[in-house]
Amino acid sequence: DTEVTQTPKHLVMGMTNKKSLKCEQHMGHRAMYWYKQKAKKPPELMFVYSYEKLSINESVPSRFSPECPNSSLLNLHLHALQPEDSALYLCASSQGLAGPLTQYFGPGTRLLVL
Amino acid sequence: GQQLNQSPQSMFIQEGEDVSMNCTSSSIFNTWLWYKQEPGEGPVLLIALYKAGELTSNGRLTAQFGITRKDSFLNISASIPSDVGIYFCAGQVVSGTYKYIFGTGTRLKVLA
Repeated sequence: DTEVTQTPKHLVMGMTNKKSLKCEQHMGHRAMYWYKQKAKKPPELMFVYSYEKLSINESVPSRFSPECPNSSLLNLHLHALQPEDSALYLCASSQGLAGPLTQYFGPGTRLLVL
Repeated sequence: GQQLNQSPQSMFIQEGEDVSMNCTSSSIFNTWLWYKQEPGEGPVLLIALYKAGELTSNGRLTAQFGITRKDSFLNISASIPSDVGIYFCAGQVVSGTYKYIFGTGTRLKVLA
């Protein structure tokens, strides 16, 4: 099983709202990632968690706040977003961070900020 | 952010034709992944390559890890309408970091 699941599939929020995106994998992977993807562009890395600790923050604005409650779950908390944050948000996982990596992506959450 | 040079940008082909796309870089990579993405969905892993010179097939798809470690290609034989989508390559940087650099994507359309 190489499945990464994400909820919700679609999300519409106002600029003053607080919402969360959720990601789950049961492959025993110890590294999980958040990517942002704009239309017709490749995914851009936002955050990396390794063994439930934040390893990398690619200079993402603080209105995006990641959380890794356990090795299977990854959340992305959203607050005071801007319309330009509208995008497809992708979660991915890999066995770890060392050596050759195979990343598996979830289906994504399509976010629209009004 | 960083991106790989992926070509062609888009292709319109007839059903049954073979397709070839490639990614090149001035940097060395130690892993190449090829993904297919359909509208509104996440990228789906097609082929993973771990060694220079490696040639791997997955059904009608064949991909190779270039000998110089700076490039990779993906071939699709006898294309069918469901091959439509955007194909991305992704290269893992040599230093063993977490990071994959993604290609700019090849948009494939298949005419029945």
